[in-house]
Formats: sequence, C-alpha cells, structure tokens
Amino acid sequence: DAKTTQPTSMDCAEGRAANLPCNHSTISGNEYVYWYRQIHSQGPQYIIHGLKNNETNEMASLIITEDRKSSTLILPHATLRDTAVYYCIVRVDSGAGSYQLTFGKGTKLSVIP
Amino acid sequence: NAGVMQNPRHLVRRRGQEARLRCSPMKGHSHVYWYRQLPEEGLKFMVYLQKENIIDESGMPKERFSAEFPKEGPSILRIQQVVRGDSAAYFCASSPSPTTYEQYFGPGTRLTVT
Repeated sequence: DAKTTQPTSMDCAEGRAANLPCNHSTISGNEYVYWYRQIHSQGPQYIIHGLKNNETNEMASLIITEDRKSSTLILPHATLRDTAVYYCIVRVDSGAGSYQLTFGKGTKLSVIP
Repeated sequence: NAGVMQNPRHLVRRRGQEARLRCSPMKGHSHVYWYRQLPEEGLKFMVYLQKENIIDESGMPKERFSAEFPKEGPSILRIQQVVRGDSAAYFCASSPSPTTYEQYFGPGTRLTVT
C-alpha cells in the first residue's frame, strides 16, 4: 500500500469547515483512499472512501485531486464531537492484502469552542 | 444490531502470565481482523481470520501470539508469557466480506503488563 503523509495536528473553530489534507503521491491505479477517525480511547470509525471522483456522505466530503496524489477530507460544520485523530489510508480494492488497513499516525484535529 | 464486542475492556497481567482477549463480531460478519496500537502510534494489522481459518497472520509476532476463530463463539487472541512490550490496545474489527469497504471496530482491550 502507498505511504500517506498527513499533518500532525490541526485546530478548527466550532461551526467552521475542517479541511484535512493527505498526500499519497505513490498511489497506484487500483488503490482507494479511505478515511477513518479515532475518538479518544475508542475504536476507529469509518468516514468515507473514494477512488478518483469526489465523494460526499452524511459525515464528510472527500476531494481527490485529478492526479490522485493528494486528497482533502472536509467536515463541513465541525463540532466538539469531531475532535479526534483522523487517518488517511490507501488500500487496494481486491486481492492479497486488500483487507489490511495500514494506519499511520494521522492528524489530531482539535475543534475549539 | 449490536456492534463488535470485545472483552475484557481492561486487562492487567504480570510478566510471564497469559492474556486472552475475546472478540465477538457483528451479527452476520464472518471475517475478523485484529490490530494492535502501541502508545502514540497508529494501529498495526496483526491477523485476519474467517470461521475456523487463519487467512493471513503476517502481522503477528512469530512467538507467543496466536489467534483463533472457532465455529462457535468469539475470536480469541492469545498472548503467552506476556512481556512489558505487549502493553498496548488491541482492537478487533469485523466485516461481512474481506473487500467490504468498511471494517467495524470494537472498543478495544487495553492490556497492561506489570
């Protein structure tokens, strides 16, 4: 799986959009971009994933650049409950090892009142 | 529909003892994954199991660690002769198939070796 690079930490004011960047410059054509988050002391929670098109669900939006070398997770209206470590993961869609999630150190997002 | 359940939530063992960690996947899920998280680190894959089969144990330490997922009952991660370096949070996840985009994680078991 491709390596990802994320900022160590970010702050966001409550009610504002949180934009979390991720670089994955060595991503392969069959690798998806996944985002999970881990609220303190809990198990990780799936947020969203995408291949090359932008995606949106009830939790967040995922913007993937045209060359797929980077992406941005957007939480449109951050709340205090969004304070967590956010992990950007790339993962092959099938075949050997496709089930493995490789977590880096992620970005610690702090939502400030 | 209950989520992934893990027990115990906290486990304290002395060096040399055995630790048994249990994971009950979500209803309808027959694929289980174990991950370990050391302090201030991301989660690391350990093992992937289906009912009665170990599919991939490439992330498991070669000694003292074993895992099973019997036909009936929870998946078990067993650590024999624990050492202080085994202190970590151990998370279990489940999915209905190995390529399902979402893995559902349990709350974890925090193992402390004294």
